[in-house]
Amino acid sequence: EVQLVQSGAEVKKPGESLRISCKGSGYTFTSYWINWVRQMPGKGLEWMGKIDPSDSNTNYSPSFQGHVTISADQSISTAYLQWSSLMASDSAMYYCATVPKTLERVLGLVYWGQGTLVTVSS
Amino acid sequence: QSVLTQTLSASGTPGQRVTISCSGSRSNIGSNAVNWYQQFPGTAPKLLIYSNNQRPSGVPDRFSGSKSGTSASLAISGLQSEDEADYYCAAWDDSLNGQVFGGGTKLTVL
Repeated sequence: EVQLVQSGAEVKKPGESLRISCKGSGYTFTSYWINWVRQMPGKGLEWMGKIDPSDSNTNYSPSFQGHVTISADQSISTAYLQWSSLMASDSAMYYCATVPKTLERVLGLVYWGQGTLVTVSS
Repeated sequence: QSVLTQTLSASGTPGQRVTISCSGSRSNIGSNAVNWYQQFPGTAPKLLIYSNNQRPSGVPDRFSGSKSGTSASLAISGLQSEDEADYYCAAWDDSLNGQVFGGGTKLTVL
């Protein structure tokens, strides 16, 4: 069974750095894209970017390029989303989601993590 | 502003048929498959329909999807109270080289 387990909720101050994680199991980690999706409070879903864990090739939405970094460690089947300097507007729920690399245009985001709530407040 | 356009809300009574629409452009819905997600408050989205009209295992056949040109729709027949949720359309976007979502439709079962 494919599972994505995300790290726990975080409370940070503006300007602080943060890295949240997403651990995959039940499938070949390097055969699936890992995507990150943001959901701000009371709002819709926004695709942030994705990573190919086999070679760490990434693609970012222009809306998030330069503000976040997506990485992965295939040795521990874990992907990361990180910020070097958080802003209050980064407060949101963040989901990782995965799909087989060869089927992403057709299947969309098949498997989802449970989400990580990030709160940024002074 | 979401790339795909959905109406904010929809409603129906138990047993009714409800349709949720989604509008995009040539670079996304016009060229690629549409997927639909269902999200209950406080939970992660769940894939409801993929490849325009395919249901993952376990999704009741009350849910159906269709696509025409740069628009798509999700239909729910025999509406049930447990269908009350937010529904999002999504598609691959060739320009973005990634997923684009609609703004979501809140379905209320009266």
